[in-house]
Amino acid sequence: EAGVAQSPRYKIIEKRQSVAFWCNPISGHATLYWYQQILGQGPKLLIQFQNNGVVDDSQLPKDRFSAERLKGVDSTLKIQPAKLEDSAVYLCASSFLDRVMETQYFGPGTRLLVL
Amino acid sequence: EDQVTQSPEALRLQEGESSSLNCSYTVSGLRGLFWYRQDPGKGPEFLFTLYSAGEEKEKERLKATLTKKESFLHITAPKPEDSATYLCAVQAYNQGGKLIFGQGTELSVKP
Repeated sequence: EAGVAQSPRYKIIEKRQSVAFWCNPISGHATLYWYQQILGQGPKLLIQFQNNGVVDDSQLPKDRFSAERLKGVDSTLKIQPAKLEDSAVYLCASSFLDRVMETQYFGPGTRLLVL
Repeated sequence: EDQVTQSPEALRLQEGESSSLNCSYTVSGLRGLFWYRQDPGKGPEFLFTLYSAGEEKEKERLKATLTKKESFLHITAPKPEDSATYLCAVQAYNQGGKLIFGQGTELSVKP
């Protein structure tokens, strides 16, 4: 079974530029998550989708971050304009409800460096 | 506020030297506690889910246990390939599927 796919794997931009990340979840997984992982810290949830609807975006900096999940499959996360503090790894995860628990499976991440 | 704290931040072991990693948590209604392994440059890899106090799960040299306040990841006779960062996360009943992660324990096993 193919895992969660993300692209690009690495991105270097200058502050105030824009950037977009793409995620393709595991086939059949209805729930999709975007996490931000700053160096030396654990991942922090940015946004959660159930099919193509937003479940939780309370920690998404909406003045500069946006995300969408068209047709309930692939998702894109955009940052515009980027700040130095956005340098981090952006992880996409997907899950499905198996009896009582949803296990989240993570992609390899996109490493963003903002100069 | 739901919170997860892992200790130690870093652990160096000799091959074959058993030890434990700690994950302390406070959460309003624990739905599940998760352990992940993360290798450098990769995404977290799922290891275990624990649902209730007293539960234990094993996988090769790893054994995870859960109490009402903390979880332990016991590593028996570790090998260099066990070197990685181990992440603990909790999921609460009132917060959808959101995982709240600790900062991780970086494990290094020397031959």
